[in-house]
Formats: sequence, C-alpha cells, structure tokens
Amino acid sequence: AQSVSQHNHHVILSEAASLELGCNYSYGGTVNLFWYVQYPGQHLQLLLKYFSGDPLVKGIKGFEAEFIKSKFSFNLRKPSVQWSDTAEYFCAVTRWDNYGQNFVFGPGTRLSVLP
Amino acid sequence: EAQVTQNPRYLITVTGKKLTVTCSQNMNHEYMSWYRQDPGLGLRQIYYSMNVEVTDKGDVPEGYKVSRKEKRNFPLILESPSPNQTSLYFCASSLRPPGQGGYEQYFGPGTRLTVT
Repeated sequence: AQSVSQHNHHVILSEAASLELGCNYSYGGTVNLFWYVQYPGQHLQLLLKYFSGDPLVKGIKGFEAEFIKSKFSFNLRKPSVQWSDTAEYFCAVTRWDNYGQNFVFGPGTRLSVLP
Repeated sequence: EAQVTQNPRYLITVTGKKLTVTCSQNMNHEYMSWYRQDPGLGLRQIYYSMNVEVTDKGDVPEGYKVSRKEKRNFPLILESPSPNQTSLYFCASSLRPPGQGGYEQYFGPGTRLTVT
C-alpha cells in the first residue's frame, strides 16, 4: 500500500534557525505532492504543492520544498523560522490508479519554535 | 466566502446512538472526502466521493457511511458509534479528483467527536 513517512515526530528550534522537514513516499507512479500546515486549534491550510515542472516549489510564508523523484522525497524548508511557525506540518501525496483516486497523508511533524 | 463547513463542531455521544456529521462546500467542487485525525497517525481517509452519487472507501471505512446526493453536501454517518471512533474529523473538497490536475484540498474546521 502507498504510504507517506515523515522523518521527525517533533522538531524544536529557536527563532531564526533554519528548518528542513523530511517527507518520503512509497508510490511509484505519477504523484502530486503537498505540504499542509495546521496551527493550534485550526484546520489544515495549504503551504505549497508540486504538480509538474520545476521541482523546487515556493509556497506561502517563505516556505519552499524540493521534489527529488529518484529519492521519492519532498522535503520542506525555510531558511529562518519564526515563533508563529509553531504548528503541525503534514506531507500528502495523491495517487490515482485502477483502485481509486485519493490523498494519503503522512503522520505529521510537530514544530515548536522557541522565542 | 468560499469555504467548507461542518456541523456540529463538537459532539459527545454514547455508544450505539446513530449520528450524522454534515459537510457542505460552496465552491462547486467535484471531489469531497472525510478524514479522521488521531495523534501520531496523521489524517486517514475514511471515504471519498468523485462526484454526485459516486463514493468509495478510503483507508479506514469500517463503521462509517456516506452519501452524495447533491454536489455541495457530503454527510458522514455513524450508524452505531463506538469509543474507538472518538477522534477529530475533517471534511475536505477539491475542484477535481486527484488524477485530473493536481488540485489541492480545502478543509473544513473539524468536528471533535467523543463516544463514551
């Protein structure tokens, strides 16, 4: 079965530190890739997505992600985090084949940014 | 305002008492889905719908039912809730299904369900 893994369960950083959150997926076909953010007590919001073209995608709030097809990875980065980036981050992959079309989410990475 | 709405936002119920969580979107989206979110497990898809009258099971469909009689609505039904269905539930929609163009999902505010 297709799966999405995220390398870290909980990441703690100080403000201004650089961030990289890992995401790997196990599906071999064509994929679309997403990063969502969930601020405390809120619903999920899209940070960025990869559909096709340039594998380096830029999203909102200074986030970017790089799709490396050979590594089945889509890591999220930000050069300098802020306290307001404290949230949970979810990587997601879409798949479509004879069995259906759906989204598969990773388990999430909780980011805590210390002021 | 374009949005996905869910009701109720909070619900405490007892084992075996049928309940329905409503979901509605005003964006004319074709694809809708339900997820449950549990600590350490992320979001797991319960059911999804590619369009009106087309529904299919996700990864964790046991104990749930859905219907899609109208494009805007996608209610989640728990015929006989059990304590292991205590969770945070999210409804989501996207313009087209995943295989038709990389459209992202828009999420509702969530429904926190507790089954005692």
